[in-house]
Amino acid sequence: ETGVTQTPRHLVMGMTNKKSLKCEQHLGHNAMYWYKQSAKKPLELMFVYNFKEQTENNSVPSRFSPECPNSSHLFLHLHTLQPEDSALYLCASSQEIGMRNNEQFFGPGTRLTVL
Amino acid sequence: KNQVEQSPQSLIILEGKNCTLQCNYTVSPFSNLRWYKQDTGRGPVSLTIMTFSENTKSNGRYTATLDADTKQSSLHITASQLSDSASYICVVRTNNAGNMLTFGGGTRLMVKP
Repeated sequence: ETGVTQTPRHLVMGMTNKKSLKCEQHLGHNAMYWYKQSAKKPLELMFVYNFKEQTENNSVPSRFSPECPNSSHLFLHLHTLQPEDSALYLCASSQEIGMRNNEQFFGPGTRLTVL
Repeated sequence: KNQVEQSPQSLIILEGKNCTLQCNYTVSPFSNLRWYKQDTGRGPVSLTIMTFSENTKSNGRYTATLDADTKQSSLHITASQLSDSASYICVVRTNNAGNMLTFGGGTRLMVKP
């Protein structure tokens, strides 16, 4: 295990549902990330938080809403999603952003299916 | 535009055989390059990191090379095992204020008995 946990591991939701993904890291890191991984495409960075402050929103649609209440927890709130949002959503953490050899530790991901 | 291209997209080899995965990048300015292994249903796990001055680095049966002049890296797997079946992702970090990452599309390796 990498020290980053994600729940749920699998989620099926309708387009009108509201759900949340949770990520928790036990590594004492200060930076947390949300990525989207679609089939046959590179990982896409969605959001970055550093010391609980959002430092990057990579042009993500507003139907995805992140929340970082503290350095150990990160949420991704989902509402009125589209079928093309179906993907593996990965959370990662690192010591902090801006460090050169900053390794990101990934969680196992949440496999999301939007019907 | 920063890009990382990996080849092949997928590869099937027999257990015990060697293989080499390729990564070409146009990321600039270059800071470091990392190879990740991602097992099915799991998140990526770092195998090795290469900085500008490093040409070769080994981690068990995995050996990564870096040619910063041609902007190419390779990951060589020796005496493959069934557990090597996974996706291998090349990630390059820029050496600027953002220190941002550019991800390759990955190579999906399947090792068959």
